[in-house]
Amino acid sequence: DAKTTQPPSMDCAEGRAANLPCNHSTISGNEYVYWYRQIHSQGPQYIIHGLKNNETNEMASLIITEDRKSSTLILPHATLRDTAVYYCIVTSGNTGKLIFGQGTTLQVKP
Amino acid sequence: GAVVSQHPSWVICKSGTSVKIECRSLDFQATTMFWYRQFPKQSLMLMATSNEGSKATYEQGVEKDKFLINHASLTLSTLTVTSAHPEDSSFYICSASFARTEQYFGPGTRLTVT
Repeated sequence: DAKTTQPPSMDCAEGRAANLPCNHSTISGNEYVYWYRQIHSQGPQYIIHGLKNNETNEMASLIITEDRKSSTLILPHATLRDTAVYYCIVTSGNTGKLIFGQGTTLQVKP
Repeated sequence: GAVVSQHPSWVICKSGTSVKIECRSLDFQATTMFWYRQFPKQSLMLMATSNEGSKATYEQGVEKDKFLINHASLTLSTLTVTSAHPEDSSFYICSASFARTEQYFGPGTRLTVT
């Protein structure tokens, strides 16, 4: 599975959009981009995933560049409860395994 | 989303004893369950993958005789830490998926070995 690179930390003001970037320059054609988040001392929570088209659900939007080498997770109106570590993971899904990197710690501030 | 539970949520045991952690998918049948370990201020580390009715597949460096995994049904997997030692103290998290789709994680089990 391709490796991902994320900034270690980001801040966001409450009520504003949080844009979390992820680089995955070695992604292959059959690999998906998944986003999970982990609030302190809890199990990770699935957010969204995509292959090449942009995706949106009730939690977030996922924007994938045309060359698929990077993506952005957008939380449209961040709240204090969105403070968490966000993980971007690339996987082909053949094994179903997820390999977690260090993620981005998002701090939403009032 | 789908719900996965773990029991117990925390456990303290003495060195040399064994501890069993249960992982259940409450509202769906999980064809595959995964076990992770997380040390303080670190990311999740995949320990093993288990498919219902099959032997678990362990990641490199994970001792299969120390971390016994049983996936007896489509809704239950167990992780037994045998002869636990203080260095096994960690946050153990399971996840479940159906047909290799997204994984749903349990709330985790905090193990402290004294």
